[in-house]
Amino acid sequence: AQSVTQPDIHITVSEGASLELRCNYSYGATPYLFWYVQSPGQGLQLLLKYFSGDTLVQGIKGFEAEFKRSQSSFNLRKPSVHWSDAAEYFCAVVPGEDDYKLSFGAGTTVTVRA
Amino acid sequence: DVKVTQSSRYLVKRTGEKVFLECVQDMDHENMFWYRQDPGLGLRLIYFSYDVKMKEKGDIPEGYSVSREKKERFSLILESASTNQTSMYLCASSFLPGSASEEYFGPGTRLTVT
Repeated sequence: AQSVTQPDIHITVSEGASLELRCNYSYGATPYLFWYVQSPGQGLQLLLKYFSGDTLVQGIKGFEAEFKRSQSSFNLRKPSVHWSDAAEYFCAVVPGEDDYKLSFGAGTTVTVRA
Repeated sequence: DVKVTQSSRYLVKRTGEKVFLECVQDMDHENMFWYRQDPGLGLRLIYFSYDVKMKEKGDIPEGYSVSREKKERFSLILESASTNQTSMYLCASSFLPGSASEEYFGPGTRLTVT
């Protein structure tokens, strides 16, 4: 079955340290890839997306993600975490060009300690 | 800024009641979506609509119906609420058809069915 996997349910990171969130997908073709963030009590906000081209994608809030076709991965990174980055992060995939539907991973909760 | 609003942030209903969740977007978007969000499961698509009066089932439509009489409004209906429908419900909208378009999310409605 086609799926989106976020292997880490919860990550704790110190403020100022780097952060990497993992995302793997199992779709045949290259899908369209997204990372969303959900702060406490808020709806989801798009951080970045990948459709084609350069495999390193820059997003908002200092985040970036790298698409690796050989590993079917789209990992999210931030070099230096701020306390305001504490949130839940979702990887999402649209399987193909004509597909409307986003499929979401289960999410990774990030806790930032001072 | 795109705004997606949902009629209630918190709702408590009794088993067997008919429940209406309302969503309104102010950016003339073609597509609207209803998801439910449960811990460990991420977001799962219930229904979506790509035009007025048009709807398609998502991954978990059982027990739900939808209505889109006007472009800006998309309603989710629980005909007879059950305790297993206790969840966070998120509405989203997007402009372009298919995968090219970012989805904008509302803040969510936390529904408790007792």
